[in-house]
Amino acid sequence: RKEVEQDPGPFNVPEGATVAFNCTYSNSASQSFFWYRQDCRKEPKLLMSVYSSGNEDGRFTAQLNRASQYISLLIRDSKLSDSATYLCVVNGAGGTSYGKLTFGQGTILTVHP
Amino acid sequence: SAVISQKPSRDICQRGTSLTIQCQVDSQVTMMFWYRQQPGQSLTLIATANQGSEATYESGFVIDKFPISRPNLTFSTLTVSNMSPEDSSIYLCSAGQGGGYEQFFGPGTRLTVL
Repeated sequence: RKEVEQDPGPFNVPEGATVAFNCTYSNSASQSFFWYRQDCRKEPKLLMSVYSSGNEDGRFTAQLNRASQYISLLIRDSKLSDSATYLCVVNGAGGTSYGKLTFGQGTILTVHP
Repeated sequence: SAVISQKPSRDICQRGTSLTIQCQVDSQVTMMFWYRQQPGQSLTLIATANQGSEATYESGFVIDKFPISRPNLTFSTLTVSNMSPEDSSIYLCSAGQGGGYEQFFGPGTRLTVL
């Protein structure tokens, strides 16, 4: 089983749609969780941290379920500019020491007019 | 957040040669890391760059192939030694305060080995 596993995608949605990405992680001892966004030929950029209580930043909502080892990202009212690869990232997964990040394989989102 | 720069941004190299990539952070950070991202794939951690001591390498990566320096809290280098075409990839450095905190990434170095 992969340490961090994401929906394979790709997702192709129209502007204004709501889209959800899911991610699971294998190490129950993992400490912190993030969603990063990576545009084509660019570096990953932090989109948001994910907290146990769930957190929202504008059109983006992240949820964490520690019991199920499951992370989600919801994007509402999709914009063309949301088109990117979304990376689920776990800190301290797979037996690595705290402070190291493990990346999922990424989910490609394309928002079309 | 930290602002991170890398040099060079890209290079085309001959097999058997070595390339040193520099990573500069605009503020002191606890942790610096080096990643590789091969075409169409996600990021794989190469090593943690430790200030004042030897880097900590992940499984599959060795110091002879990827020597790393970190002389202070804002700067690190990664050398890709004795390159082969299989080393063609994007190399990214990241920085953060460690623990459960997020990391910020440099723009990457796109390496092509002929």
